[in-house]
Amino acid sequence: AQKITQTQPGMFVQEKEAVTLDCTYDTSDQSYGLFWYKQPSSGEMIFLIYQGSYDEQNATEGRYSLNFQKARKSANLVISASQLGDSAMYFCAIPQAGTALIFGKGTTLSVSS
Amino acid sequence: DVKVTQSSRYLVKRTGEKVFLECVQDMDHENMFWYRQDPGLGLRLIYFSYDVKMKEKGDIPEGYSVSREKKERFSLILESASTNQTSMYLCASSSPGRTNQPQHFGDGTRLSIL
Repeated sequence: AQKITQTQPGMFVQEKEAVTLDCTYDTSDQSYGLFWYKQPSSGEMIFLIYQGSYDEQNATEGRYSLNFQKARKSANLVISASQLGDSAMYFCAIPQAGTALIFGKGTTLSVSS
Repeated sequence: DVKVTQSSRYLVKRTGEKVFLECVQDMDHENMFWYRQDPGLGLRLIYFSYDVKMKEKGDIPEGYSVSREKKERFSLILESASTNQTSMYLCASSSPGRTNQPQHFGDGTRLSIL
């Protein structure tokens, strides 16, 4: 069965610094994808970035990028130049049974000025 | 943009009541999902549906049922609410097929059972 592990309950960073949020996973599928979501205190889940297991390059979306290491089964999210609005909870997820997602327990990111 | 709308942001009900949480999406997605979110536990899948009138149990279906009479609407039902069902409930939808399709979420319903 698929499993997602996020080992950092909380991370603290100052504005303009880069931060890496860890995610390791376990899956028996040969082809799979990893998703990252952001959840501000208001509660909505916002899709950030996707990495396919056979993608040749690490995914990037603006200030978000993935450090994808398939052999180590890790898909760490890198946020460059942190902003106050990045303060939120971040979840890593992997599909199970083809469509439903398994989520990690999340990492709370706090950005200070 | 995909819009997933949950009927209430906040809801307070009493133990033993039958509670309905409604979710509507406007993108003609086949797949719809209900999760609950609790501190320290992340999101856990309650039920999902691949099509109208179809439903599949997720990881924690006990105490819940669902209804999908129309493609755009997926309802979560607490048959007899209990205090341990106090939680944040999130609805999501996605396109079928490839696993690279993200799920799009509603704003969530914070449900309190007194």
